[in-house]
Amino acid sequence: EDKVVQSPLSLVVHEGDTVTLNCSYEVTNFRSLLWYKQEKKAPTFLFMLTSSGIEKKSGRLSSILDKKELFSILNITATQTGDSAIYLCAVEMTGNQFYFGTGTSLTVIP
Amino acid sequence: DTGVSQDPRHKITKRGQNVTFRCDPISEHNRLYWYRQTLGQGPEFLTYFQNEAQLEKSRLLSDRFSAERPKGSFSTLEIQRTEQGDSAMYLCASSRTGLEQYFGPGTRLTVT
Repeated sequence: EDKVVQSPLSLVVHEGDTVTLNCSYEVTNFRSLLWYKQEKKAPTFLFMLTSSGIEKKSGRLSSILDKKELFSILNITATQTGDSAIYLCAVEMTGNQFYFGTGTSLTVIP
Repeated sequence: DTGVSQDPRHKITKRGQNVTFRCDPISEHNRLYWYRQTLGQGPEFLTYFQNEAQLEKSRLLSDRFSAERPKGSFSTLEIQRTEQGDSAMYLCASSRTGLEQYFGPGTRLTVT
C-alpha cells in the first residue's frame, strides 16, 4: 500500500528557531516529491524535488530528497510567525496521481 | 484574478440530496485535479483530467461521485445521494506541466 508519512505531526517553536520537517514515503512508481504550505486556505506550492541530494532553496526555506532512503526534509531557518501553517508533503506517482501526507502543523510563537 | 476558482465556496445539504461543484482552472492549464480534504488530513486524490479526458480516478471513489470536463476547460464534480461521510473540503487544482499544481479555495460541503 502506498503511504506518505510526515513527522512530527505538530511542532511549536519560538521565533528565530530553526525547524526540520520530515517526509518519508513508500510508493510504487515514484516520480517526484512536492512540498506545500497550507494556511487557512488551499495549499500553495513550495518545492518540487526529483533528484537525490540536490537542495532546493527559497529564502529561509530549503528542501532535499534522498531517493535511496525514501525521505525528504524541509528546513525553515529563523522562523517567523508567518511561517505558522500546515506543511504538506506529496508524492507524485506515474499516471500523474499525487498522494499527500497528513501534514505537519507548525506554530511559531512570538 | 487569474487563479483557480471554485463555486460554491460553501454548500450545506441534506443527506440523500445531490450536489454539484464547479471548478474553473487557470486558462492555459490543461490538467485539472479534484481532491477531498477532511480535518487533520492531507488532500486525498479523487480524479484527474488532461484536457477533456478523465485519465485517473481513485479506486476509493464510489459510484456516487462523477466528474466531467466537457470542453477541457471548467470541470464539475457531482455527488449523488450524499452521505454524512461526504462532508469535507473539495479542492480543485490545475497545472500546465503536471508538476506544480495551483489550488483553488475549495468548496466546503456539509451534509446534515
